[in-house]
Amino acid sequence: AQTVTQSQPEMSVQEAETVTLSCTYDTSESNYYLFWYKQPPSRQMILVIRQEAYKQQNATENRFSVNFQKAAKSFSLKISDSQLGDTAMYFCAFMRTNTGNQFYFGTGTSLTVIP
Amino acid sequence: DVKVTQSSRYLVKRTGEKVFLECVQDMDHENMFWYRQDPGLGLRLIYFSYDVKMKEKGDIPEGYSVSREKKERFSLILESASTNQTSMYLCASHGQVFYNEQFFGPGTRLTVL
Repeated sequence: AQTVTQSQPEMSVQEAETVTLSCTYDTSESNYYLFWYKQPPSRQMILVIRQEAYKQQNATENRFSVNFQKAAKSFSLKISDSQLGDTAMYFCAFMRTNTGNQFYFGTGTSLTVIP
Repeated sequence: DVKVTQSSRYLVKRTGEKVFLECVQDMDHENMFWYRQDPGLGLRLIYFSYDVKMKEKGDIPEGYSVSREKKERFSLILESASTNQTSMYLCASHGQVFYNEQFFGPGTRLTVL
């Protein structure tokens, strides 16, 4: 079975600082996809960044980047120059490439950016 | 702009009522999902469907059923609502391109009294 663990239920960061959210996962599969989603308060879940397991290069999307360590099964999200709009719940997700492309989500990290 | 819509943002029902939650996507996606979101528990998969009339149980299917008669529509049914089904329900869809993410609807906050 696939499991995704986010060990930090809540975090806070000062505006303009950098913060890293942790995520680990457990799988026996060799090819899969990893995602970070953002859910702002009372708003829709949206994608932040994605990573293909067969790519060694870490994905980057503007102020968001990941540290993907395949052997350690770790997929952390780094947010640089934090902004007030980054305040949200962040979910790490793992996707198997099987029928239905089922996703597995972590329990989430609530991030607060402090002015 | 891709879109997943859910029939209600907020819903209040009584214990024992039959409840229908509707989800529609306009992306011609094969795969659709229903999740339940509770604080501290993240997103838990209730059911998913990878084709019309096809369905698979997720991690917490008890007390729920689903229907997918058309590709764009995936319904979640609570046959007899109970107070422990009070939660946020999220619908999502996903195409056959592995690299793409799941697209989510805005969610339905269901309260069962």
